[in-house]
Amino acid sequence: GAVVSQHPSWVICKSGTSVKIECRSLDFQATTMFWYRQFPKQSLMLMATSNEGSKATYEQGVEKDKFLINHASLTLSTLTVTSAHPEDSSFYICSARGGLAGVGTDTQYFGPGTRLTVL
Amino acid sequence: AQTVTQSQPEMSVQEAETVTLSCTYDTSENNYYLFWYKQPPSRQMILVIRQEAYKQQNATENRFSVNFQKAAKSFSLKISDSQLGDTAMYFCALGGGADGLTFGKGTHLIIQP
Repeated sequence: GAVVSQHPSWVICKSGTSVKIECRSLDFQATTMFWYRQFPKQSLMLMATSNEGSKATYEQGVEKDKFLINHASLTLSTLTVTSAHPEDSSFYICSARGGLAGVGTDTQYFGPGTRLTVL
Repeated sequence: AQTVTQSQPEMSVQEAETVTLSCTYDTSENNYYLFWYKQPPSRQMILVIRQEAYKQQNATENRFSVNFQKAAKSFSLKISDSQLGDTAMYFCALGGGADGLTFGKGTHLIIQP
């Protein structure tokens, strides 16, 4: 139980284009989803927190107009990197927090990540 | 602001040995959760163990156990009878509930055959 998927697993795009990454909770409804970024050989840094039907809350230093987050349902959140540049190349990981019986609300379950390369 | 510190960038032990990974943290919250996540080369984050701060009893999960010292803000992970499959990056994390997690820099654990 508590499986989170991400799509795509990797993407290569040209500078200036936009890329959308999907995060889905497959067997539970997620009240909250989180987006993290991980540079090579570094730790995970929280980018934003999203609740279904609400605007995302961004961490300090994260450009909300560049990293658009939509949390349209209790099982789907999307991150769109707009006008991507090479410095946006990174590993993006989502997590989902359960809110219903059988899945603890205090634990985040992570997707497998998306490797973004901007040329 | 919350902080998590892992002071061991890399550790190496022989298979079947016991190893302890250290973690210290700082928070002004009274109610919080602590986690250890494992990240193998696939980069999938896997929950190893979690501890609720208001519980005094240390959490255990099979070969994995923690030593939670709330006053000292310390949260170490002990792996008993280490196996080759335990080789991975291990991240200590603080937060939980509605909050995003704050991660330490990680410890690269290598289990030697």
